[in-house]
Amino acid sequence: EAEVAQSPRYKITEKSQAVAFWCDPISGHATLYWYRQILGQGPELLVQFQDESVVDDSQLPKDRFSAERLKGVDSTLKIQPAELGDSAMYLCASSREGMVWGDNTEAFFGQGTRLTVV
Amino acid sequence: TQLLEQSPQFLSIQEGENLTVYCNSSSVFSSLQWYRQEPGEGPVLLVTVVTGGEVKKLKRLTFQFGDARKDSSLHITAAQTGDTGLYLCAGEGGSNYKLTFGKGTLLTVNP
Repeated sequence: EAEVAQSPRYKITEKSQAVAFWCDPISGHATLYWYRQILGQGPELLVQFQDESVVDDSQLPKDRFSAERLKGVDSTLKIQPAELGDSAMYLCASSREGMVWGDNTEAFFGQGTRLTVV
Repeated sequence: TQLLEQSPQFLSIQEGENLTVYCNSSSVFSSLQWYRQEPGEGPVLLVTVVTGGEVKKLKRLTFQFGDARKDSSLHITAAQTGDTGLYLCAGEGGSNYKLTFGKGTLLTVNP
């Protein structure tokens, strides 16, 4: 069964260091999302790609976060420098292109990367 | 910004009991999805509701979309310990297929 792959699964980093997360969406899924989820809360959208283009990054702290999806397939999310408040689960999701959310449409989530900044 | 309020935030019940959790907004959504998330895992889609007033059943789970497409409810009959998890609702609105999530209801079903 196809799934969204994320790595690493866990990451511990010191504050002020750089950290990067990788996501490989389900093959053929044009839309890719990065979400941040603080423990006990719902996911918050950081950035949304349609192919290689950013369609929404309004909630991305652009002074320290960056995201790219150069070939419209896999994606990298980077934080530099990391801060203590960045500790969270970073989830990647993908969905098919050009479909309104209906009975046969869903966002498939990866297992996430659990980031701890110390 | 479209906001989704979920209630209750926490719910602890005994196995066999029934429960209902709610998802409310002042905004109209084109569709609304319910996800279940287990600790350390990503959310998994349970159902999508699209039509106002729509009711969908998934075994012991019943989902309803409000007539005005601003709210939804999830009812679980005869809860089992395997139903334990974080239940998230997510609404879709706008042209970018953007999903906005609520904060979730953390359900614990005790044996």
